[in-house]
Amino acid sequence: NAGVMQNPRHLVRRRGQEARLRCSPMKGHSHVYWYRQLPEEGLKFMVYLQKENIIDESGMPKERFSAEFPKEGPSILRIQQVVRGDSAAYFCASSPAGNYQETQYFGPGTRLLVL
Amino acid sequence: AQSVTQLGSHVSVSEGALVLLRCNYSSSVPPYLFWYVQYPNQGLQLLLKYTSAATLVKGINGFEAEFKKSETSFHLTKPSAHMSDAAEYFCAVSETGGGNKLTFGTGTQLKVEL
Repeated sequence: NAGVMQNPRHLVRRRGQEARLRCSPMKGHSHVYWYRQLPEEGLKFMVYLQKENIIDESGMPKERFSAEFPKEGPSILRIQQVVRGDSAAYFCASSPAGNYQETQYFGPGTRLLVL
Repeated sequence: AQSVTQLGSHVSVSEGALVLLRCNYSSSVPPYLFWYVQYPNQGLQLLLKYTSAATLVKGINGFEAEFKKSETSFHLTKPSAHMSDAAEYFCAVSETGGGNKLTFGTGTQLKVEL
């Protein structure tokens, strides 16, 4: 009865490198959400995906950030050419259905540090 | 558009005292409201959620929250604080037409003192 899995838990990158964050939703969940938590702030929505589809990416920065949720395998949040301002905790959540009434279950997060 | 305001970024109580964490929301339609707790270096855990079935919602660990439409509030309470309650608490809202995303408040750090 595993919950939402995220890896790695901690990631260190130098400026200009790429960061790949992975999220495996709870069993039976096909809806995935990514949130970013900057230091001393609440969580901010980034993107909502269903298998093979991006449903809502209104919170994604316009450049360098992309997300996917393939038919097989985990959801990936990719950050190209990282900058120091990308340092944050990135949380993935999943839900069994895609409506606003559903509880979203959160993973433990990936803490990205950009040097 | 939906938004959440949490008054008091830091709250300190004595062990055994009442815990009151404030949350006010803004929503143009009936909202769904959530309280999550985050322990250091961990993910968010759902405490409770309001789904319009009852205005007083009971959650885990002795927490409860009351939805007050007239005050647009969803304050979190616990009658008697325990040391293990020390954590950060987030109020969140979702609404139909909001695209399923949760909008979070900025969080309240709860400190419990002996």
